[in-house]
Amino acid sequence: GAGVSQSPSNKVTEKGKDVELRCDPISGHTALYWYRQSLGQGLEFLIYFQGNSAPDKSGLPSDRFSAERTGGSVSTLTIQRTQQEDSAVYLCASSPGPGVFEQYFGPGTRLTVT
Amino acid sequence: AQTVTQSQPEMSVQEAETVTLSCTYDTSESDYYLFWYKQPPSRQMILVIRQEAYKQQNATENRFSVNFQKAAKSFSLKISDSQLGDAAMYFCAYRAQRDDKIIFGKGTRLHILP
Repeated sequence: GAGVSQSPSNKVTEKGKDVELRCDPISGHTALYWYRQSLGQGLEFLIYFQGNSAPDKSGLPSDRFSAERTGGSVSTLTIQRTQQEDSAVYLCASSPGPGVFEQYFGPGTRLTVT
Repeated sequence: AQTVTQSQPEMSVQEAETVTLSCTYDTSESDYYLFWYKQPPSRQMILVIRQEAYKQQNATENRFSVNFQKAAKSFSLKISDSQLGDAAMYFCAYRAQRDDKIIFGKGTRLHILP
């Protein structure tokens, strides 16, 4: 595809349920990033992948959050036992590799926890 | 810790006029990059302009230019000949050269008045 894609576009879930958010990076991009954008806030870094490994998980807010990347391509962000404060837009970005400063963003997934 | 501050939550400008968005940052790094991203209602983050800290010359991209004051740690964005399509949230962002994550400010919502 031409750009980073994310699915679903919108997700409404009940408090306590688990959710999975998917990111398809630009083909050939080895670096992948997850950010969270809460209402009225800037973007908050969550996790970074280089290939399938995650050298920087420092932004994950709690152990309810996890992410994996398989085949150096698709990534899944999983939130277990969702809470209302998890409601936000989750943005994914990819980059050709480490040290390349430009990141290309997807359209995000809007998560609403009721 | 590195921080990015945008002190103007909202701004308005008349179509065809010039507007300047402010940004300050704090870092102890000497090598870093600065960015302005645009986020329209579609949520897609679009890179508007970037500046390498080692470059003294201010970056320009068509109607967009920056005023980079390294000593003052200031990085403002000037939009000339404002157009209706410029209406969006604008985020100032920072990335240390040795790091891979981008740190974002909270954004400035720009309204273009016809």
